[in-house]
Amino acid sequence: DTGVSQDPRHKITKRGQNVTFRCDPISEHNRLYWYRQTLGQGPEFLTYFQNEAQLEKSRLLSDRFSAERPKGSFSTLEIQRTEQGDSAMYLCASSVQGYGYTFGSGTRLTVV
Amino acid sequence: RKEVEQDPGPFNVPEGATVAFNCTYSNSASQSFFWYRQDCRKEPKLLMSVYSSGNEDGRFTAQLNRASQYISLLIRDSKLSDSATYLCVVNIRDDKIIFGKGTRLHILP
Repeated sequence: DTGVSQDPRHKITKRGQNVTFRCDPISEHNRLYWYRQTLGQGPEFLTYFQNEAQLEKSRLLSDRFSAERPKGSFSTLEIQRTEQGDSAMYLCASSVQGYGYTFGSGTRLTVV
Repeated sequence: RKEVEQDPGPFNVPEGATVAFNCTYSNSASQSFFWYRQDCRKEPKLLMSVYSSGNEDGRFTAQLNRASQYISLLIRDSKLSDSATYLCVVNIRDDKIIFGKGTRLHILP
């Protein structure tokens, strides 16, 4: 499969726990994006990387959220001390210099 | 004003009818424009790019009006399989794309 892969597909966690999601982009794509989508809303931009550099973070990305792309390939998104409001679909996308955006299937997080 | 605005719908349209959606964007420096389709509980998928001269792909026609800062999507001879949420997407700079909230379309048999 040469598309964007996200793992896990679903995650149920208790409030206060930490969770980490992984995204493997298309191999030749140098840009990687994280979005969050809640029911009835469009995807909201969280952050993006060009290679290993994190170039922009949205105000939506509170201190409890951290994203990394250590070697310019896969990326992780960690949420610490999860809250019920963090329940959402977390989407990863990759592109080549802003073209050819391709999304992964997403990780659906439920905080109980 | 939000960066990208769409009518959330839902649009309930009989099969075979023509339906059109509009989307407005606030940043006049926006560079490129797209329509994405999203099925329930699935990821967004590119439907078509929108070019200044307008473009057509089968039953789908997209148009851009830079002066009024809106883009449109027209679906002709709608099919049951066209039922989905249609997301208006704007590339504001050469780095990230911004989504509208989406317009829900239900095609009725």
